[in-house]
Amino acid sequence: AQTVTQSQPEMSVQEAETVTLSCTYDTSESDYYLFWYKQPPSRQMILVIRQEAYKQQNATENRFSVNFQKAAKSFSLKISDSQLGDAAMYFCACTFSGNTGKLIFGQGTTLQVKP
Amino acid sequence: DTGVSQDPRHKITKRGQNVTFRCDPISEHNRLYWYRQTLGQGPEFLTYFQNEAQLEKSRLLSDRFSAERPKGSFSTLEIQRTEQGDSAMYLCASSLPQGVSSYEQYFGPGTRLTVT
Repeated sequence: AQTVTQSQPEMSVQEAETVTLSCTYDTSESDYYLFWYKQPPSRQMILVIRQEAYKQQNATENRFSVNFQKAAKSFSLKISDSQLGDAAMYFCACTFSGNTGKLIFGQGTTLQVKP
Repeated sequence: DTGVSQDPRHKITKRGQNVTFRCDPISEHNRLYWYRQTLGQGPEFLTYFQNEAQLEKSRLLSDRFSAERPKGSFSTLEIQRTEQGDSAMYLCASSLPQGVSSYEQYFGPGTRLTVT
């Protein structure tokens, strides 16, 4: 069975600083996709960034970037220049090519941004 | 198109009652997913539709749960004889047809169910 683990229930960062959220996964599949989703309080989940397992280059979206270590099955999210609006619960998720596309989520990390 | 919508946003019901939730996906998305999210946890997959066909159901989806997607458009999730353990946020998501971009799912705001 595939699993996704986020070992940091809560993290905090000072506004304008950088924070890294950790995620590890376990799968025997060779072709899969990894995601970070953001869920602000009482608001809907939105996609932050996506990484295809076959790509060696780490994905980047503005202030958000990932460190994808395929051999270690690690997929961390780095948020640079943190803003108050980044405060949310962040979920790491995985899906596998050729299946239904269902997402397997980690437990989530609550990020607090301090002004 | 304003994204995935869900109705109602909140539902309070008494144990033993039946409830039905609705999800309207993004119009060109033929894939539709239901997830359940309990407080402080990540969403868990419940079921998947491709067009009108229900192609996968989780073991979490007991016999009291049923989902439909008539005509491949909106979907409904019904819970019969609700139990307190059914209290959760029910999330709907949709995605494009098969292809790289189809692995990105767009989520609705969810329906929060409270069973008293």
